[in-house]
Amino acid sequence: DVKVTQSSRYLVKRTGEKVFLECVQDMDHENMFWYRQDPGLGLRLIYFSYDVKMKEKGDIPEGYSVSREKKERFSLILESASTNQTSMYLCASSPDDFQRNIQYFGAGTRLSVL
Amino acid sequence: EDKVVQSPLSLVVHEGDTVTLNCSYEVTNFRSLLWYKQEKKAPTFLFMLTSSGIEKKSGRLSSILDKKELFSILNITATQTGDSAVYLCAVEAYGNKLVFGAGTILRVKS
Repeated sequence: DVKVTQSSRYLVKRTGEKVFLECVQDMDHENMFWYRQDPGLGLRLIYFSYDVKMKEKGDIPEGYSVSREKKERFSLILESASTNQTSMYLCASSPDDFQRNIQYFGAGTRLSVL
Repeated sequence: EDKVVQSPLSLVVHEGDTVTLNCSYEVTNFRSLLWYKQEKKAPTFLFMLTSSGIEKKSGRLSSILDKKELFSILNITATQTGDSAVYLCAVEAYGNKLVFGAGTILRVKS
């Protein structure tokens, strides 16, 4: 079974703090993704990566950055957290083959910024 | 702009009922449509559809795609309380990117 692990289920931070959300997958997948999920808006893509050290902006990258130093790990960074970044953050991965569009998700990190 | 719209937004049914969830889309370069189920944890993959008119089935769940009318439906027969979840529809429109709908919240009452 594919396992995508996010480091924290719940996180509370203060405005202006630097926040790191970590995601690790154990299936040697090339592709990794970060989404945020808000009620009524569904999942929106923040950043994704096709390979180590590669990153691409998604639909809502403002206020976020990412790091992929190793194939299995994809980190989302909030440089200076703001209250409008309070959300559920989901990480996903997919292989780079004929099933590349089937993404496997982690359990999510619910971030509250106070 | 690529768009995926799911309806209804929420639904309450009784055990044993049959439900139909809808997903319509407007995307460029359509490649596939996917359904996920999300309980209080990670979304889990249900179906991937690429061809019109071919039903995918898994137990009490089934889904079909209409590429001419640009929609898909997800049917659940003989619903159980364990079917209570958010059902997400996503369309692969470009590269590996998925465009998600807002989801349908299904609650099955015993």
